[in-house]
Amino acid sequence: SQKIEQNSEALNIQEGKTATLTCNYTNYSPAYLQWYRQDPGRGPVFLLLIRENEKEKRKERLKVTFDTTLKQSLFHITASQPADSATYLCALEDTGGFKTIFGAGTRLFVKA
Amino acid sequence: ETGVTQTPRHLVMGMTNKKSLKCEQHLGHNAMYWYKQSAKKPLELMFVYSLEERVENNSVPSRFSPECPNSSHLFLHLHTLQPEDSALYLCASSQELNNEQFFGPGTRLTVL
Repeated sequence: SQKIEQNSEALNIQEGKTATLTCNYTNYSPAYLQWYRQDPGRGPVFLLLIRENEKEKRKERLKVTFDTTLKQSLFHITASQPADSATYLCALEDTGGFKTIFGAGTRLFVKA
Repeated sequence: ETGVTQTPRHLVMGMTNKKSLKCEQHLGHNAMYWYKQSAKKPLELMFVYSLEERVENNSVPSRFSPECPNSSHLFLHLHTLQPEDSALYLCASSQELNNEQFFGPGTRLTVL
């Protein structure tokens, strides 16, 4: 089955800078990859979905890339704000297509 | 508000108790999911229902028993749990299997 690797160390950046988070997977390239945001004690919130035939997708200050050769997705937040501080989860389909598996997430702290 | 509600939000139970978690989605979705989230670990998929039929049972112990009486409601019946079952239990729904998922706020379960 798929294995997802996200940087377990927290990412600390200054307000206004661009935050870049990485998601690597180990097996076959999935048909799509998703990113979610999770705040402490709450359920994840869907942010973006990118398909295997899309190199890049944008939504407001968010940008996601999907490189099937590197087996990697990058998630960018431009002009970051303290309100962007949260844990960001990468998710993709597992073998058989019935389920989505999630990475452990990367905690982002944006300092004012 | 994501359109997915869960009750109760917090639950403390002894190992001999029987309790149930309830999830309701108001989005007209066809698929519903139960996840377990323990501290510092990725979301673990427990059960998946599509059009009220269970399509995935992810090697979950029998002390957890799901029920999906209709496409809007999902239950997780709990009995003779262990302290290691203490976690945040999240319900989610999606329009179809493997579309973006909408999560409820979760039930924080503590087993004494």
